[in-house]
Amino acid sequence: RKEVEQDPGPFNVPEGATVAFNCTYSNSASQSFFWYRQDCRKEPKLLMSVYSSGNEDGRFTAQLNRASQYISLLIRDSKLSDSATYLCVVTLRYSGGGADGLTFGKGTHLIIQP
Amino acid sequence: NAGVTQTPKFQVLKTGQSMTLQCAQDMNHEYMSWYRQDPGMGLRLIHYSVGAGITDQGEVPNGYNVSRSTTEDFPLRLLSAAPSQTSVYFCASSSGPGTSGGETQYFGPGTRLLVL
Repeated sequence: RKEVEQDPGPFNVPEGATVAFNCTYSNSASQSFFWYRQDCRKEPKLLMSVYSSGNEDGRFTAQLNRASQYISLLIRDSKLSDSATYLCVVTLRYSGGGADGLTFGKGTHLIIQP
Repeated sequence: NAGVTQTPKFQVLKTGQSMTLQCAQDMNHEYMSWYRQDPGMGLRLIHYSVGAGITDQGEVPNGYNVSRSTTEDFPLRLLSAAPSQTSVYFCASSSGPGTSGGETQYFGPGTRLLVL
């Protein structure tokens, strides 16, 4: 059974603070991992891919822990514009490549407060 | 490039009516899919396609039909609308495995559907 779990929040964080949230996945055959960002009443957009060695993009750092089956997203020096819902996406290791291999988490709602 | 476009943006239907949600992409992506997003449920896959002429069912296909006659277009048909189909519908495309960034899903802006 495919399952991706996220804390729905909301996470209320003061501007300038550091915030982190995790996403756990249950299928050990999961192959690729991503964080998407979804603004209110908008479509999801790719924020960053998550690599085994971890990766950083400006104020954002993503990490993967295969042993414990979770990925994390860290946001440093948070801005008001970071307020959004962050979706965890996991793909299964299979050859088809179709969307049926993707599992979306329900998202974590982040609110940056001035 | 316009990316992924969807029409209409909003639609109100009466129970039993049928309609087609349009989706088009100009990125020459082979893979396309339809999702619905409901509060507390996240994104759920309705149907998907891995190329022109090929479609398959996702997690919640009942009440919906799709076809893929061209690479660019992937319409979603509601056969007989029901209040349970009130949702936000997103179309997405990707270039597919074996291509650079092939797993990245590009979403359209969504169609908000209300069924009375």
